[in-house]
Amino acid sequence: EDKVVQSPLSLVVHEGDTVTLNCSYEVTNFRSLLWYKQEKKAPTFLFMLTSSGIEKKSGRLSSILDKKELFSILNITATQTGDSAVYLCAVGRGGGADGLTFGKGTHLIIQP
Amino acid sequence: DAGVIQSPRHEVTEMGQEVTLRCKPISGHNSLFWYRQTMMRGLELLIYFNNNVPIDDSGMPEDRFSAKMPNASFSTLKIQPSEPRDSAVYFCASSFAGYQETQYFGPGTRLLVL
Repeated sequence: EDKVVQSPLSLVVHEGDTVTLNCSYEVTNFRSLLWYKQEKKAPTFLFMLTSSGIEKKSGRLSSILDKKELFSILNITATQTGDSAVYLCAVGRGGGADGLTFGKGTHLIIQP
Repeated sequence: DAGVIQSPRHEVTEMGQEVTLRCKPISGHNSLFWYRQTMMRGLELLIYFNNNVPIDDSGMPEDRFSAKMPNASFSTLKIQPSEPRDSAVYFCASSFAGYQETQYFGPGTRLLVL
């Protein structure tokens, strides 16, 4: 059975800190790994990663994938209170199985 | 541009009643996904359609759940009869074929079955 495990489940830091969120996976026919941010509404897309070792960056957020060790990290530098959210990791498979398998998420709280 | 549209946004019903959730995907997207989110199980794929055809419904919990996509701009998820354990947020998402991982989510329907 496909499995996506995120850690930590929750994290509380102060504004300005840097955080690293982890995602490990066991998926047959892996094709891609995605990160989503979910505030009190729908998940919004952050990154899609398909190749090992290539960092994707958007402002203060960055992510990298290791296909050998089957994990990804999401880094957020100089955190702001607006970064408070649940961060979801999801894996997409090839071979016509197009739905995503999601982890349970990391609940990040940024304190002022 | 309008995103994925879902209705209703909130639904409260009594056990045994029929519930119908509706979704309008982003125009031009030809893949549509239904997900369910609960605290215990997180976000789970229920079913998805490519070009209006159901491809994988292995995530549908049981026969009480059914989904249809009569055309490219509309899909329904029906629960009949509903049970309290169906209480969850139901999301619809859509994407372009070939970019199915980059899914855009609707605002969700928060369902409470009493």
